[in-house]
Amino acid sequence: QKEVEQDPGPLSVPEGAIVSLNCTYSNSAFQYFMWYRQYSRKGPELLMYTYSSGNKEDGRFTAQVDKSSKYISLFIRDSQPSDSATYLCAMRGSSSNDYKLSFGAGTTVTVRA
Amino acid sequence: ETGVTQTPRHLVMGMTNKKSLKCEQHLGHNAMYWYKQSAKKPLELMFVYSLEERVENNSVPSRFSPECPNSSHLFLHLHTLQPEDSALYLCASSRTNSPLHFGNGTRLTVT
Repeated sequence: QKEVEQDPGPLSVPEGAIVSLNCTYSNSAFQYFMWYRQYSRKGPELLMYTYSSGNKEDGRFTAQVDKSSKYISLFIRDSQPSDSATYLCAMRGSSSNDYKLSFGAGTTVTVRA
Repeated sequence: ETGVTQTPRHLVMGMTNKKSLKCEQHLGHNAMYWYKQSAKKPLELMFVYSLEERVENNSVPSRFSPECPNSSHLFLHLHTLQPEDSALYLCASSRTNSPLHFGNGTRLTVT
């Protein structure tokens, strides 16, 4: 079983739709959860960063963490063509010596104008 | 403009060549990383340096050799690579326990 599972898609939605992305994981020690966006021919850029369970909202983006289900989600409201990218989830434990991030394989999203 | 700069952006090399990838961060971070990104696979951590000391070496073949001369610079020396080493190589930096900031990568093709 992979440590982090993420549906690779591709996911295609019309402009203005809500995009829903998710990851499941197996390691109950994970405490920090991240979503990265990666445009073609670019490196990943940090979108959202959350600790433990709960919701976090930033503009059109909402990140949710459900540690009891080992499930995290990213929602994009009022999606735009500029949101077309690959979205990567990532997570790690809470130890100060824990440098290793575990990544999902990424979901490719296309928002159609 | 990213705070993490990688050069070159593209590299084509034969299996007998020696080349180096360079990374520079302008963010004042104390840790630097090399990741390998292959199509449809999760990012694979290769090496981590914290305060210029290697703290993680993720069972990477010896044909990849990292070097961290100071907290702002990181190199990946490549020697006798195989075609399956073709991938996007990403450099990242961070402060301790903070999210990673990535460069735009070097697209490596081994012929």
